[in-house]
Amino acid sequence: DAGITQSPRHKVTETGTPVTLRCHQTENHRYMYWYRQDPGHGLRLIHYSYGVKDTDKGEVSDGYSVSRSKTEDFLLTLESATSSQTSVYFCAISESGQGGTEAFFGQGTRLTVV
Amino acid sequence: AQTVTQSQPEMSVQEAETVTLSCTYDTSESNYYLFWYKQPPSRQMILVIRQEAYKQQNATENRFSVNFQKAAKSFSLKISDSQLGDTAMYFCAFMNYGGSQGNLIFGKGTKLSVKP
Repeated sequence: DAGITQSPRHKVTETGTPVTLRCHQTENHRYMYWYRQDPGHGLRLIHYSYGVKDTDKGEVSDGYSVSRSKTEDFLLTLESATSSQTSVYFCAISESGQGGTEAFFGQGTRLTVV
Repeated sequence: AQTVTQSQPEMSVQEAETVTLSCTYDTSESNYYLFWYKQPPSRQMILVIRQEAYKQQNATENRFSVNFQKAAKSFSLKISDSQLGDTAMYFCAFMNYGGSQGNLIFGKGTKLSVKP
């Protein structure tokens, strides 16, 4: 199994509070991604990173920010959590951004905003 | 923009039978990759099979095979000799070839139940 660890695995937080999810990899892969999974929507890309300090927005980036100060860590921050951000969040990594490179997924973080 | 459509929200199959999950996609690109991912109740995303659009031969992995129809933009997954462990959500996904982004575009998924 690819070395990807997401933390925390579960979190309940209140509306308006900041939340940070962490993705840690031991594979030294260049690309890292954050997806959210919601019923009826599949997985949708929030942000991705193609190197240290290099990030870009995905399909559903509003309300989220990311940072990557080290190759192994990719942080997703909800500055002020809202109920619409209740979801399961997946981190993924891949060796390159070239098509066909396999993406490996973490175990997911279930976030509930009350 | 690329889109991926899975028209079957739920399906069921008897153990040892064969089932086919449908996927269609829309793209203006000529070179791309298509994937099927499995998500069991454990929530782990597992790559089942991958198809390169420039290859005419359909990909096969043990009991899993695809029917790739490029002109029709169709990419169905056939599971033969279904097993209880095949019970899961199945997601079809698209990735551009040679792009610098490398992200997957997913369909909404098909929930497959294998019944004993």
